[in-house]
Amino acid sequence: AQSVTQLGSHVSVSEGALVLLRCNYSSSVPPYLFWYVQYPNQGLQLLLKYTTGATLVKGINGFEAEFKKSETSFHLTKPSAHMSDAAEYFCAVSSPSGGSYIPTFGRGTSLIVHP
Amino acid sequence: DTGVSQDPRHKITKRGQNVTFRCDPISEHNRLYWYRQTLGQGPEFLTYFQNEAQLEKSRLLSDRFSAERPKGSFSTLEIQRTEQGDSAMYLCASRPTNSGNTIYFGEGSWLTVV
Repeated sequence: AQSVTQLGSHVSVSEGALVLLRCNYSSSVPPYLFWYVQYPNQGLQLLLKYTTGATLVKGINGFEAEFKKSETSFHLTKPSAHMSDAAEYFCAVSSPSGGSYIPTFGRGTSLIVHP
Repeated sequence: DTGVSQDPRHKITKRGQNVTFRCDPISEHNRLYWYRQTLGQGPEFLTYFQNEAQLEKSRLLSDRFSAERPKGSFSTLEIQRTEQGDSAMYLCASRPTNSGNTIYFGEGSWLTVV
């Protein structure tokens, strides 16, 4: 079984401040991990993903995430928030189950950016 | 290369009516997924296809829901006898078999049952 926990349903930062969105996962086998972003009334867009190899993953729009197996975490960061980063962010885990990889999503974290 | 396309984007229906959503995946993507997303929640898995075969269904997919992918290309999700609890966004996603397991989402179809 696999699951994702996103700590904090809302995160509020000032423009230019560090963004940190937390994600912890549970998986019985090495997982693939993803962060998606969703703007109002739109579908989900992939920000970045971890499959194998380097544990620090860089994505679009200046975001990055680090896979920490010992902490079962995959937190998303960005050094300097921009107003356009305000959106809903979803962490997802995918691992083989009967040969299929069906992503399981967290409940999401709403990022609010203040001027 | 066009993205995943969903139609209609918005649907308002009266309780008890049937509704059908269509999804056109990215060309040559043989895996297709349906998810449901309610306000304030993440996407919840409903079902997925590999080509025309429906390989897995979640317990969320009650007997009022049916999904098809008859020719292994587009898919339809039908909800019969809609209930207010069916109000949600229905998301379709697709991926090729060997893609590092990234799924690509469409814009979603909003359903409001009144």
